[in-house]
Amino acid sequence: GQNIDQPTEMTATEGAIVQINCTYQTSGFNGLFWYQQHAGEAPTFLSYNVLDGLEEKGRFSSFLSRSKGYSYLLLKELQMKDSASYLCAVYYGNNRLAFGKGNQVVVIP
Amino acid sequence: DAGVIQSPRHEVTEMGQEVTLRCKPISGHDYLFWYRQTMMRGLELLIYFNNNVPIDDSGMPEDRFSAKMPNASFSTLKIQPSEPRDSAVYFCASSLALYEQYFGPGTRLTVT
Repeated sequence: GQNIDQPTEMTATEGAIVQINCTYQTSGFNGLFWYQQHAGEAPTFLSYNVLDGLEEKGRFSSFLSRSKGYSYLLLKELQMKDSASYLCAVYYGNNRLAFGKGNQVVVIP
Repeated sequence: DAGVIQSPRHEVTEMGQEVTLRCKPISGHDYLFWYRQTMMRGLELLIYFNNNVPIDDSGMPEDRFSAKMPNASFSTLKIQPSEPRDSAVYFCASSLALYEQYFGPGTRLTVT
């Protein structure tokens, strides 16, 4: 089975840093994805973590701790266009893939 | 490449009717995924294929739903008979290996 938890919504100011958390409980673990989805649009890929540690990609970084079943996505220098839903997805078990419900980030001036 | 192509973009149908959603993946991609998204349930994986073979269909809600991938460039998701609770946005996505997925624009289905 699988259980993926994300906080539902957060508000942050333009230029700030925001951390979006994802905790998971799955039978087996193969990797964790982060996707961004703007309202009315399709999700787009942000990152993929397999090993513990931090992966940095421009203003976005993703961290994984396999032993704790925990990941976070760090958004730096927030811009208005970063207002979106951020989805974590876990690849687990025997070729299974499940998405969390997403965390809505609202960026205010 | 044009990206993942889905048709139709919008579908309105009456309860009991058959609905067929279509997807053309990115050329060269060996994985194809079908998802359903609603406010209540979020993004749910329905089924995915690897090299045209279904790998995990545990997310398919019930026997009313079926998916096929007759060749590497085409897949269908069929609902028969459709019910109001099937109303959702259905996404198709493709990827090279089980890595970065490219999503299509989605089909917004409304069943009245």
